[in-house]
Amino acid sequence: GAGVSQSPSNKVTEKGKDVELRCDPISGHTALYWYRQSLGQGLEFLIYFQGNSAPDKSGLPSDRFSAERTGGSVSTLTIQRTQQEDSAVYLCASSFPQNEKLFFGSGTQLSVL
Amino acid sequence: SQQGEEDPQALSIQEGENATMNCSYKTSINNLQWYRQNSGRGLVHLILIRSNEREKHSGRLRVTLDTSKKSSSLLITASRAADTASYFCATVLIQGAQKLVFGQGTRLTINP
Repeated sequence: GAGVSQSPSNKVTEKGKDVELRCDPISGHTALYWYRQSLGQGLEFLIYFQGNSAPDKSGLPSDRFSAERTGGSVSTLTIQRTQQEDSAVYLCASSFPQNEKLFFGSGTQLSVL
Repeated sequence: SQQGEEDPQALSIQEGENATMNCSYKTSINNLQWYRQNSGRGLVHLILIRSNEREKHSGRLRVTLDTSKKSSSLLITASRAADTASYFCATVLIQGAQKLVFGQGTRLTINP
């Protein structure tokens, strides 16, 4: 596609449920990032995929968070047993070459009730 | 903690005035980038400056980088209402994890 696509754009879930957030990066982009942004705050780094290298998971806040990137393309961020503090906008971005200009998706607004 | 810290946190000016935002960072960088966020969702890349560069221009934007002071500034000249947004700097470290880390941002409001 023409840009980074994220789905769903909005997700409302109940506390304790699992959620999956999807990111389709720009074709050919080898680097893919997930960030989290709470209302009025900056971007919190979550995880970074670069080509076939092991992902940098240093930003994942707990073991309830996991992410995978299949075939070097689509990525899924999974949050298990969601908590109210997980409510935020989850942003995905991709780039090529790595760490140059990032292209962002429109994000997924997650609300945990 | 965040690598980049923007200053001020919020800035309100009149249309037509210039807006200056600053970014300070802690460790040596490969490059520094500025992004704009209009609606609390996706960010848009504005400009990238490398560690061996001191100044770059793009339209009404001017970015400077002082590696000795570990700081950068973003100047928007002749501001317009459409420039109202949050502006973030992001850095890539020379050593260690090669990932892009963002600051907390400056909220810029242009008053008509």
